[in-house]
Amino acid sequence: GQQVMQIPQYQHVQEGEDFTTYCNSSTTLSNIQWYKQRPGGHPVFLIQLVKSGEVKKQKRLTFQFGEAKKNSSLHITATQTTDVGTYFCAVKDSGGYQKVTFGTGTKLQVIP
Amino acid sequence: KAGVTQTPRYLIKTRGQQVTLSCSPISGHRSVSWYQQTPGQGLQFLFEYFSETQRNKGNFPGRFSGRQFSNSRSEMNVSTLELGDSALYLCASSLGWTSTDTQYFGPGTRLTVL
Repeated sequence: GQQVMQIPQYQHVQEGEDFTTYCNSSTTLSNIQWYKQRPGGHPVFLIQLVKSGEVKKQKRLTFQFGEAKKNSSLHITATQTTDVGTYFCAVKDSGGYQKVTFGTGTKLQVIP
Repeated sequence: KAGVTQTPRYLIKTRGQQVTLSCSPISGHRSVSWYQQTPGQGLQFLFEYFSETQRNKGNFPGRFSGRQFSNSRSEMNVSTLELGDSALYLCASSLGWTSTDTQYFGPGTRLTVL
């Protein structure tokens, strides 16, 4: 079945520093989604990447889909305390009814 | 539009009991998925329903079951509860079942098994 690994598992950064989390798949993906879960909250959709090499930006967040569509990254520039939470990638095989597989998540802690 | 709602929000049960959790998806959404979230295991897929039919099932024992009604509302049931079933149970709805459909999560039901 689909396997998705995220690294790192945890990351502590000083406020203002940059942060990156990586998502790696064992198979070629049709698309990838990113979610954020605040402490005590539920996952909230951030963005979806579909095309090979695609790069999308949301303010200080930059999302990238690898050329081979097997990996993706989320980069946050100049972190703020509001960025605290766990970031998950999610993938779903195309064709038929396939289940969603969430990555293991990267927990970000921002030290003010 | 109202978001995904889950009831109850908190639940305390004892081993051996059974529990039923409810999920109301966003209006118009026909797909409902259930996840178990624990600190050690992350987000684990339980099952997905679309148009009242279970389309996918995760690797959970038969004690975990679910169903979806004609109005897309869904319930999941856990019988013979074990201590290890203590977790946050999340429900997510989406318009359809394709890989590009976005999932919208409810606040979850936190189940504690004593």
